[in-house]
Amino acid sequence: AQSVSQHNHHVILSEAASLELGCNYSYGGTVNLFWYVQYPGQHLQLLLKYFSGDPLVKGIKGFEAEFIKSKFSFNLRKPSVQWSDTAEYFCAASNSGGYQKVTFGIGTKLQVIP
Amino acid sequence: DTEVTQTPKHLVMGMTNKKSLKCEQHMGHRAMYWYKQKAKKPPELMFVYSYEKLSINESVPSRFSPECPNSSLLNLHLHALQPEDSALYLCASSQGGQGPGVRQSGNTIYFGEGSWLTVV
Repeated sequence: AQSVSQHNHHVILSEAASLELGCNYSYGGTVNLFWYVQYPGQHLQLLLKYFSGDPLVKGIKGFEAEFIKSKFSFNLRKPSVQWSDTAEYFCAASNSGGYQKVTFGIGTKLQVIP
Repeated sequence: DTEVTQTPKHLVMGMTNKKSLKCEQHMGHRAMYWYKQKAKKPPELMFVYSYEKLSINESVPSRFSPECPNSSLLNLHLHALQPEDSALYLCASSQGGQGPGVRQSGNTIYFGEGSWLTVV
């Protein structure tokens, strides 16, 4: 069965600390990978995505993620977090081509303390 | 323009009411989706339309009835809902389609801001 696992459900960091959120997936065939962010009371926004090519993907707001095929992982990183990064982060995966049946991880709540 | 527009943003309805949620996109996408998101939970897929035909129904109760009048519009008709149906309902779209003509970026799913539904 297709699944996405996020290991950290609640992360608390001080401003300027480095961030790494773990994500593992179990998917057959070619997979597309995403990180979405949801700020309090707001909708889902796409942070970054991986389809193919360079496994190190850069997104908006200084975020990046690395696809490691051998580990079935797509971890999200940011060198220095800000208070405004406080949000829920969802890793997601979908099949490639046609319509996408996206599977979301359970989400990681990031709280950045000033 | 990567915009999916949903209306209304907020809806309060009684258990005997009939209401509809609407979704619109003008990106030429041929796949459209309804997701349900409860508080502090990830979005859960409800329905997928591909080329205006229902392709996936994730065993959603019949009190939710989707409709795709044309390639730009997606509705979700609501009737006899229960309080536990209160949630954020998200519409999304993607390019859809397969084959060499489909750009890789077509695999990106764009979400609307959602409709907050409260059933009383």
